[in-house]
Amino acid sequence: AQSVSQHNHHVILSEAASLELGCNYSYGGTVNLFWYVQYPGQHLQLLLKYFSGDPLVKGIKGFEAEFIKSKFSFNLRKPSVQWSDTVEYFCAVRGGSQGNLIFGKGTKLSVKP
Amino acid sequence: EPEVTQTPSHQVTQMGQEVILRCVPISNHLYFYWYRQILGQKVEFLVSFYNNEISEKSEIFDDQFSVERPDGSNFTLKIRSTKLEDSAMYFCASMGRGFTDTQYFGPGTRLTVL
Repeated sequence: AQSVSQHNHHVILSEAASLELGCNYSYGGTVNLFWYVQYPGQHLQLLLKYFSGDPLVKGIKGFEAEFIKSKFSFNLRKPSVQWSDTVEYFCAVRGGSQGNLIFGKGTKLSVKP
Repeated sequence: EPEVTQTPSHQVTQMGQEVILRCVPISNHLYFYWYRQILGQKVEFLVSFYNNEISEKSEIFDDQFSVERPDGSNFTLKIRSTKLEDSAMYFCASMGRGFTDTQYFGPGTRLTVL
């Protein structure tokens, strides 16, 4: 069965620290991978996506992610976090024949000023 | 920037009652989805809708659930007889013309079943 694992439930960092959030997926077909962010009371917002080509993808707000096929991973990174990055992050893989997304459980990031 | 909208933002209902959750997808999109997120759990796919019919559904989407696009703009999710375990945040999403497009999500409707 298709699945996405986010191993860290809650990550706490100080401002300017570097961030790496892990995401591993289990899917046998061609993968499309996504990172979404969810601000409280707001919709899921796309940070970045990978479909094909360069496995290092850059998204909004200084985030990037690297697709490593051999490790079934798509980790999210940011070199220097800010207090405003304190939100919940969801990794997802496009798994169904009709484009539906399969999400991980999410990782809450808390950045201390 | 176009947005997916959902109403109401919060719905409280009694167990056994019918509820209809409404969504207005982005106007030129062709693919529509419902997801739900039970408190503290992951976002789960419920159903996808394309060309005026259900294209895929999860095992969560049983006979108590139905979807409709009644007028070419709204996209609704109906739960016929709500159960306590239906309490969750329900997200609508829409996508443009192909699977390389991004899914845009609405802000969600929080459903509380008492």
